[in-house]
Amino acid sequence: GNSVTQMEGPVTLSEEAFLTINCTYTATGYPSLFWYVQYPGEGLQLLLKATKADDKGSNKGFEATYRKETTSFHLEKGSVQVSDSAVYFCALSGGNEKLTFGTGTRLTIIP
Amino acid sequence: DGGITQSPKYLFRKEGQNVTLSCEQNLNHDAMYWYRQDPGQGLRLIYYSQIVNDFQKGDIAEGYSVSREKKESFPLTVTSAQKNPTAFYLCASSIFGWVRRSYTFGSGTRLTVV
Repeated sequence: GNSVTQMEGPVTLSEEAFLTINCTYTATGYPSLFWYVQYPGEGLQLLLKATKADDKGSNKGFEATYRKETTSFHLEKGSVQVSDSAVYFCALSGGNEKLTFGTGTRLTIIP
Repeated sequence: DGGITQSPKYLFRKEGQNVTLSCEQNLNHDAMYWYRQDPGQGLRLIYYSQIVNDFQKGDIAEGYSVSREKKESFPLTVTSAQKNPTAFYLCASSIFGWVRRSYTFGSGTRLTVV
């Protein structure tokens, strides 16, 4: 079946540091890949997505590239801000239309 | 604005009681989903529905029930058979189809058994 393995947290960085959160996946066929963000006490918001190999999703300074050869979709940001503190989820959607999530990575940015 | 509304935001239940969580969407999405979130475990799928009057069990359906009588509504009942119901519950919806796959989440209901 489909699965997502995500970098364990928590991750603590100083403001303006470079961020990488690793995500690898196992799936049959050609899944779509997503990063979602969850702020405290809220639901999930779509951060970015990629639907085919070599696609790059980007939003709010975050980027992730769909790497089929390494089955990865790592999230990066060049300079994080305090407002980026949240829990980040990597997810995939296969042919059955269901989302499979990673366990989430809690990110805390220190001023 | 279109979106998903979950209510209530906080819910307390006594042991042995059934409780129903509401989920309503005005996005005209075909599919709806219920996820459970526990600390350190990510999100796990409880039930999903891709069309009115039809729904399928997810990975952890035991102790839960759903209905889909209207396209806009997908209520979740947590029954007394659910042994550990305290969790954060998230409802989501999506357009059915390969290219336009887009999931929208509600803001969640936090259920606590007292």
